[in-house]
Amino acid sequence: KAGVTQTPRYLIKTRGQQVTLSCSPISGHRSVSWYQQTPGQGLQFLFEYFSETQRNKGNFPGRFSGRQFSNSRSEMNVSTLELGDSALYLCASSFLSSGGDEQFFGPGTRLTVL
Amino acid sequence: DQQVKQNSPSLSVQEGRISILNCDYTNSMFDYFLWYKKYPAEGPTFLISISSIKDKNEDGRFTVFLNKSAKHLSLHIVPSQPGDSAVYFCAASAAGNTPLVFGKGTRLSVIA
Repeated sequence: KAGVTQTPRYLIKTRGQQVTLSCSPISGHRSVSWYQQTPGQGLQFLFEYFSETQRNKGNFPGRFSGRQFSNSRSEMNVSTLELGDSALYLCASSFLSSGGDEQFFGPGTRLTVL
Repeated sequence: DQQVKQNSPSLSVQEGRISILNCDYTNSMFDYFLWYKKYPAEGPTFLISISSIKDKNEDGRFTVFLNKSAKHLSLHIVPSQPGDSAVYFCAASAAGNTPLVFGKGTRLSVIA
């Protein structure tokens, strides 16, 4: 069974630009969650989508948004990029719930904002 | 307000000895706890979990202990191997469709 895939793996943008990251979950998984990892901050929860609906949202500004398609693939978008948005963005999928189910993570997208 | 705390950013252990990674939580609603391991340039991978109805769960060299009254859990790795060198994240969730809350991680170095 193929794992969670994320594209692109690396991205360099400049301040003020916007970026879209993509995540393909494990086949059959309906829940997709997004996390931001920065040095010393662990994994900060961004949002979770389940069957195309946002089910949970973390404490991030409105510049961070996401969506999920009918095939469970998900995208997250960050508009008006800031230097502090430089981070590893991780996507995770699970069959049912991000909390009660084991989550399977993708390798992440490393975003650098210059 | 950090609900899941891993107070040791790093830990060094000799090969063959026991590694003990600690995690504290503040939210008494948490009832499911997980440990993830992360190597550089890879996403975290699930290691072991424990439900609040248990106080211990074992899987091979890995054992997780849960002390609900102290709101503390620990991961024991015995014996430690160089391949265990990674960042370990503790995570917790409450009942219902609530997201996992992660700690900041502990970097374990197992020295040969």
